[in-house]
Amino acid sequence: EPEVTQTPSHQVTQMGQEVILRCVPISNHLYFYWYRQILGQKVEFLVSFYNNEISEKSEIFDDQFSVERPDGSNFTLKIRSTKLEDSAMYFCASSRGDRSGLYEQYFGPGTRLTVT
Amino acid sequence: AQSVTQLGSHVSVSEGALVLLRCNYSSSVPPYLFWYVQYPNQGLQLLLKYTTGATLVKGINGFEAEFKKSETSFHLTKPSAHMSDAAEYFCAVSHTTGNQFYFGTGTSLTVIP
Repeated sequence: EPEVTQTPSHQVTQMGQEVILRCVPISNHLYFYWYRQILGQKVEFLVSFYNNEISEKSEIFDDQFSVERPDGSNFTLKIRSTKLEDSAMYFCASSRGDRSGLYEQYFGPGTRLTVT
Repeated sequence: AQSVTQLGSHVSVSEGALVLLRCNYSSSVPPYLFWYVQYPNQGLQLLLKYTTGATLVKGINGFEAEFKKSETSFHLTKPSAHMSDAAEYFCAVSHTTGNQFYFGTGTSLTVIP
């Protein structure tokens, strides 16, 4: 069964450094998403991406964040200058975006980002 | 605006007992409702979803949920808990394709042997 994959599974970085989190969505999906989950808190939406542009973003997704689909398979989240409060589990998700897909989002296993 | 409230951050049940995890939502438009399960160190796995049609939906692993518009609820149930059901459960709401999901804070289910 197709699945969303994410790399790395765990990333440790120093405050102020740039990180890139990588995701490979399911191949025939059209919408891509990033969410984050700070330890012990709810899963929060960051951004959605469709047709090579951001379709929706939350207040969390400020100028230090960016997303990109550099080729036909990868979807990346870049954090330009990491802060301690960026430490969280980051989930990538994708959806077909059509009625047959019934709006279901498929989530990857997550990347745990630790900022020291 | 949309939001999700999950009552009870921790629920404990005995093996074989009924599982009831509560979810209430607020939405200004007809919602699409989802339950996801998260096992330790894993991603979010879809249990079941309601989009349109029958209000009682059945999912994987014997779980089901009923959409009650009058109560703005989408509670998750399972008649008989199994040890393997121990996990974190998240209720989520959306209202159209491509849009963000709003998640509840999650309910940690413990199953006591």
